[in-house]
Amino acid sequence: AQSVSQHNHHVILSEAASLELGCNYSYGGTVNLFWYVQYPGQHLQLLLKYFSGDPLVKGIKGFEAEFIKSKFSFNLRKPSVQWSDTAEYFCAASGGYNKLIFGAGTRLAVHP
Amino acid sequence: DAGVIQSPRHEVTEMGQEVTLRCKPISGHDYLFWYRQTMMRGLELLIYFNNNVPIDDSGMPEDRFSAKMPNASFSTLKIQPSEPRDSAVYFCASRESGELFFGEGSRLTVL
Repeated sequence: AQSVSQHNHHVILSEAASLELGCNYSYGGTVNLFWYVQYPGQHLQLLLKYFSGDPLVKGIKGFEAEFIKSKFSFNLRKPSVQWSDTAEYFCAASGGYNKLIFGAGTRLAVHP
Repeated sequence: DAGVIQSPRHEVTEMGQEVTLRCKPISGHDYLFWYRQTMMRGLELLIYFNNNVPIDDSGMPEDRFSAKMPNASFSTLKIQPSEPRDSAVYFCASRESGELFFGEGSRLTVL
């Protein structure tokens, strides 16, 4: 069955710390991968996406993610977080133009 | 573009009442998705449409839930009768080139 797993449900960091959020997927065939962010009280917004090509994807606000096919992973990284990065982060996957499946989400709290 | 527009933003109703949530996708997007978000279950895909046709409704929890897309610019999600466990934020999203664009969501509280 298609699934997306996020390893951490809650992460607490201090400002300027580095961030890595884990994501693993289970999909047959071609897979498209996404990271979405949801700020408190807001809707989901796209951070970055991977369809093909360079497995290191750069997104908005200094985020990046690396697609490692052999590990079925698509981890999100940021070298130095800010208080404004406090939000919930969702990894998602789809097979081509099929439905997008989301992970359970990781709540990130950044303390000043 | 105004983005995906959902209404109402907030709805409080009593158990047993009918609830209708509305969505206007971004013009030109041919896929529309309905998701439900709760603390316990996260983001669940309820149903999605392609060119106004329902493609997969396997996520619709019960017969109390129904969704329609009468034309390319409008979709509804109806719950009849509503129950307290239906309380959640319901998101509509439309898609272009594989990327989903979400609406602001409709927060439903069933008392």
